[in-house]
Amino acid sequence: DQQVKQNSPSLSVQEGRISILNCDYTNSMFDYFLWYKKYPAEGPTFLISISSIKDKNEDGRFTVFLNKSAKHLSLHIVPSQPGDSAVYFCAASPEPGNQFYFGTGTSLTVIP
Amino acid sequence: DTAVSQTPKYLVTQMGNDKSIKCEQNLGHDTMYWYKQDSKKFLKIMFSYNNKELIINETVPNRFSPKSPDKAHLNLHINSLELGDSAVYFCASSQGPNVLTFGAGSRLTVL
Repeated sequence: DQQVKQNSPSLSVQEGRISILNCDYTNSMFDYFLWYKKYPAEGPTFLISISSIKDKNEDGRFTVFLNKSAKHLSLHIVPSQPGDSAVYFCAASPEPGNQFYFGTGTSLTVIP
Repeated sequence: DTAVSQTPKYLVTQMGNDKSIKCEQNLGHDTMYWYKQDSKKFLKIMFSYNNKELIINETVPNRFSPKSPDKAHLNLHINSLELGDSAVYFCASSQGPNVLTFGAGSRLTVL
């Protein structure tokens, strides 16, 4: 049973515009969330995290929003750049250091 | 100098064979993991070791046996390979309650 879902397998955005990647989860015990970025033939690399005590975390062009009541988080990239083209995975855990559950990823293409 | 390195990067083998994938991390992390990414792109944990001790063992066939000779290494041995074992296997490490650092993956193809 997949506890973390990314329902959009792909997304295309024009350079300079906003990219919004969505993630839903089913387990109300999840308290810690991560976003990873993956280029072809490479392993996922950590992008940004958020814990349930916050509803927003920002790092440069990347912002993650968490809506615990809706069990939903999203990653906003503004402005989008061609180098952002990659697969983005969200992951959730009951607490930091515990097992992470990953979504199936969203492939983002930023069109120059 | 790669933080988490896996070998081999690609592995093509026949059904029924036994194969190993090796993983080494030079980050000084105390926890290492094996994840499997199947054809549906679902990234799922298989095993986790903390200081050479097994702490997570998901529902994985016992044909899969991890071995951690020291905290910097976590190898994965697979016996009697089946078609369904074809996947990309990712090694990862972390220091305590922290984010995972992944290797580049090992793509296993079973013919």
